[in-house]
Amino acid sequence: GENVGLHLPTLSVQEGDNSIINCAYSNSASDYFIWYKQESGKGPQFIIDIRSNMDKRQGQRVTVLLNKTVKHLSLQIAATQPGDSAVYFCAEATGLSGSRLTFGEGTQLTVNP
Amino acid sequence: ETGVTQSPTHLIKTRGQQVTLRCSSQSGHNTVSWYQQALGQGPQFIFQYYREEENGRGNFPPRFSGLQFPNYSSELNVNALELDDSALYLCASRYLRGTGELFFGEGSRLTVL
Repeated sequence: GENVGLHLPTLSVQEGDNSIINCAYSNSASDYFIWYKQESGKGPQFIIDIRSNMDKRQGQRVTVLLNKTVKHLSLQIAATQPGDSAVYFCAEATGLSGSRLTFGEGTQLTVNP
Repeated sequence: ETGVTQSPTHLIKTRGQQVTLRCSSQSGHNTVSWYQQALGQGPQFIFQYYREEENGRGNFPPRFSGLQFPNYSSELNVNALELDDSALYLCASRYLRGTGELFFGEGSRLTVL
């Protein structure tokens, strides 16, 4: 199937620490994944994406790792800031040029000052 | 600011009624998709429109229907509302041959009593 799920529903970190948010998927044919951030009262916001021909991709303060062997991906946020507090979703992108997203349930990240 | 605006932001309906939600996309975004997000869950794909035709549908009944217009606006219509239709409805759009990033609006919060 196309189940995309998350290991932990909540994550609390201290400001300045690194955060790691995990996600498991079940469809071994999945080849495109996206991480989204959703702040309270807002729509999901694109963070970073990765295709299955890559193991790692880096952005500004964020890194996504993809382990196809165990069907797992993670989002690492360096030097976490209070503004990073939000719900984070991983999503599998399929369909017309990857525009159909299958989201997991989300991890609530809380950054303590 | 994603350039995707949705209206209304909040509305209350009673069971059995019909509702129309609206979305205005960025100029040039020829692909629009709609998602339903229940409280505490990830968004669920309803359907997608490309060049004013439905192109992909999730596991939603026919009483969920949509329209896409040439001016980059779109509608989601839900007939015979049920209590379980209470959710945040998100519109997302992109240019099909773009980078892959979907731009989400902030959603319409529907409550069915």
